[in-house]
Amino acid sequence: DGGITQSPKYLFRKEGQNVTLSCEQNLNHDAMYWYRQDPGQGLRLIYYSQIVNDFQKGDIAEGYSVSREKKESFPLTVTSAQKNPTAFYLCASSSQGSNQPQHFGDGTRLSIL
Amino acid sequence: DQQVKQNSPSLSVQEGRISILNCDYTNSMFDYFLWYKKYPAEGPTFLISISSIKDKNEDGRFTVFLNKSAKHLSLHIVPSQPGDSAVYFCAARRRTGANNLFFGTGTRLTVIP
Repeated sequence: DGGITQSPKYLFRKEGQNVTLSCEQNLNHDAMYWYRQDPGQGLRLIYYSQIVNDFQKGDIAEGYSVSREKKESFPLTVTSAQKNPTAFYLCASSSQGSNQPQHFGDGTRLSIL
Repeated sequence: DQQVKQNSPSLSVQEGRISILNCDYTNSMFDYFLWYKKYPAEGPTFLISISSIKDKNEDGRFTVFLNKSAKHLSLHIVPSQPGDSAVYFCAARRRTGANNLFFGTGTRLTVIP
């Protein structure tokens, strides 16, 4: 089955540590995205990538980093510089071209110990 | 600045009746609008979309209406079923730039059997 896989589903981090969230898709989509969801809020864009080896900052990129070495993979690193990392993180992908919906993975919930 | 707004955090409807979820936006550059459904601890699932060149799009029990002059869109679910109980997010994309989406804060729909 084609889809987007995020792992792990739950992740705990100690203060001062970096942690990497995985996102893999087998939909052959060119574009991939990372969003953050906080309670009572909509999704906010962290980073996005439209092609391999290229990515752009979204609205809340501070304290995060990404890489796009392969079309299928778009890992997100939450660095120690991110002051409030506890949130639900969602990865999405879409085809290029107009009017293509984004399809989401099931998310990773990150908590600080 | 919230460019996509869902002013009703929750809505309760009897099974079999119509559910109407509303969304307002402020950016006239938005040209593509989507509705997503989300269950707890899962990623959003794409439901239906509409391009700004249309004012209505229908898919089974789901219909989206777009009123560009009022910068308003709505999702109608007829008839509502208990399995429709979820959080519904409205999202919009700008005409230019990347395909990233701007999300509303969501409306929790409860369909009462």
